[in-house]
Amino acid sequence: GAVVSQHPSWVICKSGTSVKIECRSLDFQATTMFWYRQFPKQSLMLMATSNEGSKATYEQGVEKDKFLINHASLTLSTLTVTSAHPEDSSFYICSAHDRVPLGNYGYTFGSGTRLTVV
Amino acid sequence: QKEVEQDPGPLSVPEGAIVSLNCTYSNSAFQYFMWYRQYSRKGPELLMYTYSSGNKEDGRFTAQVDKSSKYISLFIRDSQPSDSATYLCAMTLGGYNKLIFGAGTRLAVHP
Repeated sequence: GAVVSQHPSWVICKSGTSVKIECRSLDFQATTMFWYRQFPKQSLMLMATSNEGSKATYEQGVEKDKFLINHASLTLSTLTVTSAHPEDSSFYICSAHDRVPLGNYGYTFGSGTRLTVV
Repeated sequence: QKEVEQDPGPLSVPEGAIVSLNCTYSNSAFQYFMWYRQYSRKGPELLMYTYSSGNKEDGRFTAQVDKSSKYISLFIRDSQPSDSATYLCAMTLGGYNKLIFGAGTRLAVHP
């Protein structure tokens, strides 16, 4: 089945530094990837949609300059949290979509990254 | 009004009980309906997906979609403590459109 690998699984960084999170589709090519943010006991909030080779589409209220998304290849998307602050601490999850809908309609999720900014 | 409404619970049931989870939605254009299970600090994993209206069964899980009522359900039979997790409904227009999630229902199955 489709597998999405997300790294790191957790990261602690100092306030003001930048953190990069990687999302890789291991056995399929992902033309579209989605980045979500999830606060404790809340649902997933879509941050942006990225398509290979083009700029990401950000949801309303999400700062483009703070959350940089790059989808340079069909198997890799990265989310960089720039100048991180404690309020950016959250659980970040990526989802990849195959070109051809799979049995699960192609929405496969990574295992998530817990970011803590101190 | 949110596009997808889901009672966040928590829902606590004894082992062996039948669990009923549901969501309502407002956009009649949604075509694909999914249920995800999420354990604490993990990414969501797909349990069931259904296209348009109808029922789908997979082991102890049954998903139902009633597009006329804009209502979807997930039933878990013979619930187990290992079913304790948050269950998220999600739906999409189709194609490569984004998923719209419900708030998630926290389920606890106690022995």
